[in-house]
Amino acid sequence: AQSVTQLDSQVPVFEEAPVELRCNYSSSVSVYLFWYVQYPNQGLQLLLKYLSGSTLVESINGFEAEFNKSQTSFHLRKPSVHISDTAEYFCAVIVNAGGTSYGKLTFGQGTILTVHP
Amino acid sequence: EAGVAQSPRYKIIEKRQSVAFWCNPISGHATLYWYQQILGQGPKLLIQFQNNGVVDDSQLPKDRFSAERLKGVDSTLKIQPAKLEDSAVYLCASSTNLAGGGETQYFGPGTRLLVL
Repeated sequence: AQSVTQLDSQVPVFEEAPVELRCNYSSSVSVYLFWYVQYPNQGLQLLLKYLSGSTLVESINGFEAEFNKSQTSFHLRKPSVHISDTAEYFCAVIVNAGGTSYGKLTFGQGTILTVHP
Repeated sequence: EAGVAQSPRYKIIEKRQSVAFWCNPISGHATLYWYQQILGQGPKLLIQFQNNGVVDDSQLPKDRFSAERLKGVDSTLKIQPAKLEDSAVYLCASSTNLAGGGETQYFGPGTRLLVL
């Protein structure tokens, strides 16, 4: 079975500073990888996902994540954060079962990003 | 496009009481999921439906939890009787199809349950 470890439970950072949220996964088979974000008092929203192709994926609000198969990592980065990026971020993994096959999404424990002015 | 709807948003009950949560997925989404998110943890899948059939309920405590998805649209999750450790946020999500192909799951706002 797959598992996900988010190495930092909380990350405080100043506005306009760069940030990296770390995620490692374990799986013996091919996987798809996701980052979800949960803003205060809101539901989980997809931030970005890696399915195949380029190992670097980007979101519309400046975040990017790089799939590193050898290190089984999918770290999330942003070169300059805003106050509005304050939220909890969840890394998740699902086995690549292909097509219309069943798959179970497994989440990490979450990282709370707090951006200070 | 309307998102995933859930109700109620908040519920407080005493242990041994029963409670039910309702979810209306995005129109046309065949797959529906219920997750339990305990404070400080990531969401954990409880049950997954494809249309009105159960695909996976391996992590559902079946002695007290039940779920149904009649007519393949709305779904209800019930807890009877509730225990203190059931205090959590219950999230409903839906996707166009089974997630094995990498389909995005869309989440509702959740129902926050407190068991006293």
